[in-house]
Amino acid sequence: DAKTTQPPSMDCAEGRAANLPCNHSTISGNEYVYWYRQIHSQGPQYIIHGLKNNETNEMASLIITEDRKSSTLILPHATLRDTAVYYCIVRVASLNNQGGKLIFGQGTELSVKP
Amino acid sequence: SQTIHQWPATLVQPVGSPLSLECTVEGTSNPNLYWYRQAAGRGLQLLFYSVGIGQISSEVPQNLSASRPQDRQFILSSKKLLLSDSGFYLCAWIGMVGGYTFGSGTRLTVV
Repeated sequence: DAKTTQPPSMDCAEGRAANLPCNHSTISGNEYVYWYRQIHSQGPQYIIHGLKNNETNEMASLIITEDRKSSTLILPHATLRDTAVYYCIVRVASLNNQGGKLIFGQGTELSVKP
Repeated sequence: SQTIHQWPATLVQPVGSPLSLECTVEGTSNPNLYWYRQAAGRGLQLLFYSVGIGQISSEVPQNLSASRPQDRQFILSSKKLLLSDSGFYLCAWIGMVGGYTFGSGTRLTVV
């Protein structure tokens, strides 16, 4: 079973920041938080991941609370092309741990509206 | 650069017919490979994963099987398809520390 909980859906106005929350209260000390998104009828796309520090790349920012029990993915200026299902996943980074498999939950369906 | 190829993109097969979906990876060696299925929109279900040639781990009992005959080749098969095998099948590998790269997927409809 997935170890994360996310709201099933969210709306965001185009050009505004989209803040997607994720709860992972049972996260272990060696587990990372990963975010992926899936645009309709395509394979999921990696966005970002982090352990305990906040992370930023060209796509998004990841804010992890100090107790690591929750995190927020931030898309700073959402566009219509950001409409997708966003998945938050926790897992150990080591490939030796059960092959590094990802267990997906239901994700959050983000709709960016003009 | 590393790439992942998956084919065919769409497939319509009758109930009881065999299935073979192929996934190949380029630009890397000894990758961990995965097969996922997505039915009815959301919810990716991990079916199989492989950490090396001939090494297959099955996540859920089902009508499907997987094989890894070569280092960068991962095959999903069935001897007799069921209606419930319909779905969107995705192959993936780990391209960086924990970051999966997914193929473009095969949409299978069993009729």
